[in-house]
Amino acid sequence: GNSVTQMEGPVTLSEEAFLTINCTYTATGYPSLFWYVQYPGEGLQLLLKATKADDKGSNKGFEATYRKETTSFHLEKGSVQVSDSAVYFCALSERTGGFKTIFGAGTRLFVKA
Amino acid sequence: SQTIHQWPATLVQPVGSPLSLECTVEGTSNPNLYWYRQAAGRGLQLLFYSVGIGQISSEVPQNLSASRPQDRQFILSSKKLLLSDSGFYLCAWRQQAYNEQFFGPGTRLTVL
Repeated sequence: GNSVTQMEGPVTLSEEAFLTINCTYTATGYPSLFWYVQYPGEGLQLLLKATKADDKGSNKGFEATYRKETTSFHLEKGSVQVSDSAVYFCALSERTGGFKTIFGAGTRLFVKA
Repeated sequence: SQTIHQWPATLVQPVGSPLSLECTVEGTSNPNLYWYRQAAGRGLQLLFYSVGIGQISSEVPQNLSASRPQDRQFILSSKKLLLSDSGFYLCAWRQQAYNEQFFGPGTRLTVL
């Protein structure tokens, strides 16, 4: 079945450091890919998405490129801020049945001032 | 614009008591609806999803059930809570023309 694997956390960075959170997926067909962010005590928010190969999703300085050849969708940001501290989930959406979304386990990011 | 509500925000219940969590969506029609559970420090586990009124698909066998009595209302229930039912319950919706899901604020359930 479809699955998403993302790097284990926590990831601890200093403010203004470069961020990469790795995500790889296994899927049949051509899923859509997403990054969601969860701040403490809140629900998940959609951060960015890509619907086909070579698409680049971007939002709030974060970006990720849909790489079909490596089945990856790594999240990057050039300069993190303390306010970026949160849990980040990589996900894929199946295009059949109930259009279920398969989530990775999440990666917790701590950014120090 | 669309909004999704969940209540209550927090709930503390004794073992063996019943449960009813409610989720409603505004500003859209015929959405797909989803219930997830997130254990402390863990990822999301899909519990149920619904593609229409009265249509419920269960992903994990357990003592929870779901119902969709109206187009934009999704209810998660249990007749007798277990300690292992503690967690953060998230409701989500998806508009049928799009792939992304949108999440509610969640309900934190503690079973004592």
